[in-house]
Amino acid sequence: EIVMTQSPATLSVSPGERATLSCRASQSVASNLAWFQQRPGQPPRLLIYDASTRATGFPARFSASGSGTEFTLTISSLQSEDFAVYYCQQYNDWPRTFGQGTKVEIK
Amino acid sequence: EVQLLASGGGVVQPGGSLRLSCAASGFTFGNYAMSWVRQAPGMGLEWVSTITSTGSVTNYADAVRGRFIISRDNSQNTLYLQMNTLRAEDTALYYCARGGWKRGSDYWGQGTLVSVSS
Repeated sequence: EIVMTQSPATLSVSPGERATLSCRASQSVASNLAWFQQRPGQPPRLLIYDASTRATGFPARFSASGSGTEFTLTISSLQSEDFAVYYCQQYNDWPRTFGQGTKVEIK
Repeated sequence: EVQLLASGGGVVQPGGSLRLSCAASGFTFGNYAMSWVRQAPGMGLEWVSTITSTGSVTNYADAVRGRFIISRDNSQNTLYLQMNTLRAEDTALYYCARGGWKRGSDYWGQGTLVSVSS
């Protein structure tokens, strides 16, 4: 199976600062990668699909890039509502696999 | 408004069975693949199973293959997960989610909690 590795595990950022999250696949997933945001006590929300397409409802401060095995999610200026756990998931092959998550916390 | 309402969770002994349901509304259910994803307490997300829009093709995680069966009734707008031979490690919040075949799941329900314990 394709192993998805996210880094860092925890990112401490001050409001208004930039956050950069990484996701690495153990083999190429082309652009078949999604990012999800999960706030405490809530189900995940699709944030990005096809590696770089922002889902409905998310503002432009969220952007993503990458293909193959290396992917990045950037939040340009963190707002209070952005502090959450972010997961990447590949849908290039079965089984679908998630990264272990990056927790973005307030510094 | 898309809504996914999962139910059927509960406490069950190891070796027991449960059937989860997910009632869908607000979209044409029969046009979408559907998935189950679980999350153990305090842990990350784990994909469980996905079924095509017609129900003709299914996929399972190795951890549940042979024990769980995903199915759907498009006339009732309902997704199911039959869970057999349950183990302690199946304890989790089970989410149903729309999609998951060609892209990430775009809508998720609130989940139903399954606890396997003696």
